[in-house]
Amino acid sequence: DAGVTQSPTHLIKTRGQHVTLRCSPISGHKSVSWYQQVLGQGPQFIFQYYEKEERGRGNFPDRFSARQFPNYSSELNVNALLLGDSALYLCASSLVGTANEKLFFGSGTQLSVL
Amino acid sequence: AQSVTQPDIHITVSEGASLELRCNYSYGATPYLFWYVQSPGQGLQLLLKYFSGDTLVQGIKGFEAEFKRSQSSFNLRKPSVHWSDAAEYFCAVLLTGGGNKLTFGTGTQLKVEL
Repeated sequence: DAGVTQSPTHLIKTRGQHVTLRCSPISGHKSVSWYQQVLGQGPQFIFQYYEKEERGRGNFPDRFSARQFPNYSSELNVNALLLGDSALYLCASSLVGTANEKLFFGSGTQLSVL
Repeated sequence: AQSVTQPDIHITVSEGASLELRCNYSYGATPYLFWYVQSPGQGLQLLLKYFSGDTLVQGIKGFEAEFKRSQSSFNLRKPSVHWSDAAEYFCAVLLTGGGNKLTFGTGTQLKVEL
C-alpha cells in the first residue's frame, strides 16, 4: 500500500511568490495535518483537517492556508514567501484524527526561498 | 502551554553500546508523549507512545521509554545500538484542544561509531 505522498519533493521560489504543496493521505485516512520543519528544529504544527473541515491551526500567519478535498487529499498554500519560509514541509495522515491515533508522515517537500 | 525539551543536540555512541536520549516535558496534567525517528530524506516514523498505564513503554526496533512524572521526563533507551540507528530522534507531546496535533522538541542527532 502506498504511504503518504507529497509533491513536489523539492521546490525553489523567490521572495514574494506564492507556492502550493500537495499531499495524498494513505488510502482510507480522512485526516491530514501539515508541519513545518526548519533546519535544525523539530516540526511545528501548521494545520489539521478532517472531512474538509479545519480541526486546528498552529501559530502561523494568514499567509499560510490549506484545504482538503473530497478525496481527502490536501493542499498547503503560502503567499508572499519570505526567506524564513524555507523549510521541509511535512504532511501526515491518520484515520479520523483523534488523539490516540498513529500519525503517518510523508517524506516532505523541501522548499527553498531565495 | 505544552512543550518538550531535548537537552542533547548531538550524541555519539559506539555500535553495541547502550543508548539513552533525554526528553523533559512541561504540562500540568498527564501528557500524551511520543518518540519519533527521522532518517535523512525520510519522514518521521513513530517509535513508541505513552498515554497512560505502565510507565515503561516498549516500541519498535528494540527501543523503550520510561515515563517519570516526578522528573517530568520521558527518556528513550536501547540496550545495544546498531549502526542503522543513526538518525535524528524527536520527542513530542500531544497538544490540547482535540485532534492529534503534536509539538516536537528540537531533536537529538545520533551518530553511531563502528
